[in-house]
Amino acid sequence: EAQVTQNPRYLITVTGKKLTVTCSQNMNHEYMSWYRQDPGLGLRQIYYSMNVEVTDKGDVPEGYKVSRKEKRNFPLILESPSPNQTSLYFCASSFDLMNTEAFFGQGTRLTVV
Amino acid sequence: GNSVTQMEGPVTLSEEAFLTINCTYTATGYPSLFWYVQYPGEGLQLLLKATKADDKGSNKGFEATYRKETTSFHLEKGSVQVSDSAVYFCALISLNTGNQFYFGTGTSLTVIP
Repeated sequence: EAQVTQNPRYLITVTGKKLTVTCSQNMNHEYMSWYRQDPGLGLRQIYYSMNVEVTDKGDVPEGYKVSRKEKRNFPLILESPSPNQTSLYFCASSFDLMNTEAFFGQGTRLTVV
Repeated sequence: GNSVTQMEGPVTLSEEAFLTINCTYTATGYPSLFWYVQYPGEGLQLLLKATKADDKGSNKGFEATYRKETTSFHLEKGSVQVSDSAVYFCALISLNTGNQFYFGTGTSLTVIP
């Protein structure tokens, strides 16, 4: 089954404790991206990757890191989480940008206290 | 820069009512336009898309036409069902200004029997 898998689904952590949210896709997609979803703001893109070892900043990259060492995986790293990073996070992948759909993971609900 | 503006929600309709959710955009070049739907507790799913002016995307009874002259991509459905209750996001991507997706803030739709 074609899917994007995120883990964990829910996470509560404390300020400053490094964490990683994993994202994996089984569709051999080249394009992957991370979003955060906040009430009244919709989805905002954090980082995206066009291919292995190619990553770029989206609209809200501050406080986040990503890596793309393999095509299927695109982890999101918060080196020192802060309460303003409490949000719902989505990973997505697609074969290309303009013509095919993006497949989204089920989301990771992160709370930073 | 690129942006997407959606009508504010929430929207509440009775079953079999006509639905319109307005979406207008600002973009350089020739963007591709999308509508995504998010059901409770899930990630986003592509509902329909249009990749050039005057294209009409359609799926599951929903339609939207890419209007370059009015920079709009309004979502319509002739007769909504309870199962259509969800949050709807308008989105665009334009290769002219980088490889980023831009989403609207989302419109919550509730259909009552």
